[in-house]
Amino acid sequence: DIQMTQSPSSLSASVGDRVTITCRASQGIGNFLAWYQQKPGKVPKLLIYSASTLHSGVPSRFSGSGSGTVFTLTISSLQPEDVATYYCQKYNSAPQTFGHGTKVEIK
Amino acid sequence: QVQLVQSEAELQKPGASVKISCRTSGYSFTKFWMHWVRQAPGQGLEWMGIMNPSGGTAIYAQRFQGRVTMTRDTSTNMGYMELRSLRSDDTAIYYCAREDMASSGLPLDFWGQGTLVTVSS
Repeated sequence: DIQMTQSPSSLSASVGDRVTITCRASQGIGNFLAWYQQKPGKVPKLLIYSASTLHSGVPSRFSGSGSGTVFTLTISSLQPEDVATYYCQKYNSAPQTFGHGTKVEIK
Repeated sequence: QVQLVQSEAELQKPGASVKISCRTSGYSFTKFWMHWVRQAPGQGLEWMGIMNPSGGTAIYAQRFQGRVTMTRDTSTNMGYMELRSLRSDDTAIYYCAREDMASSGLPLDFWGQGTLVTVSS
């Protein structure tokens, strides 16, 4: 099975900072990569799909890039409401594995 | 509007089974795959499997093979996930979520609210 590795596992940044999270697939998955945001105690929400397409209603400070095996999620200007854990997920085929998550906090 | 509403929390003993329901509305049930994802306390998301509501077929993550069954009732637009031989490490929140079957479809764009399953003697 393809493994999904996220880094870092956690980060702390200041409001307004640019934040980048990386997700690596152990084999190529094309652009079948999604990013989810999960705030504490809440249901995960889809942010980005097809590696770089912003889901409806998601603020434009979020962006995604990459294809094949290396993908990134970028928050261009971190806001207090972005405190959450972010997960990548491959969805080209089963099993649709998630990364282990990146916890984002405000410094 | 699209809704996925799950059954209430469950407390089960080790070795027992649990069957969680996911009632859907606001969309064409048979045109979206149904996934099940779980999250143990303080842990990440774990994909359990996917079911095709149209034909009823399912694919399960290897670690749940033989212990999980995903089914559906197209007359009521409901999906079900049964997990058997429960262990304490099955304690988790279980989510259903839908995925568009269309070629340019979205991955998990709507989720249920989650069902907490606690396994304890």
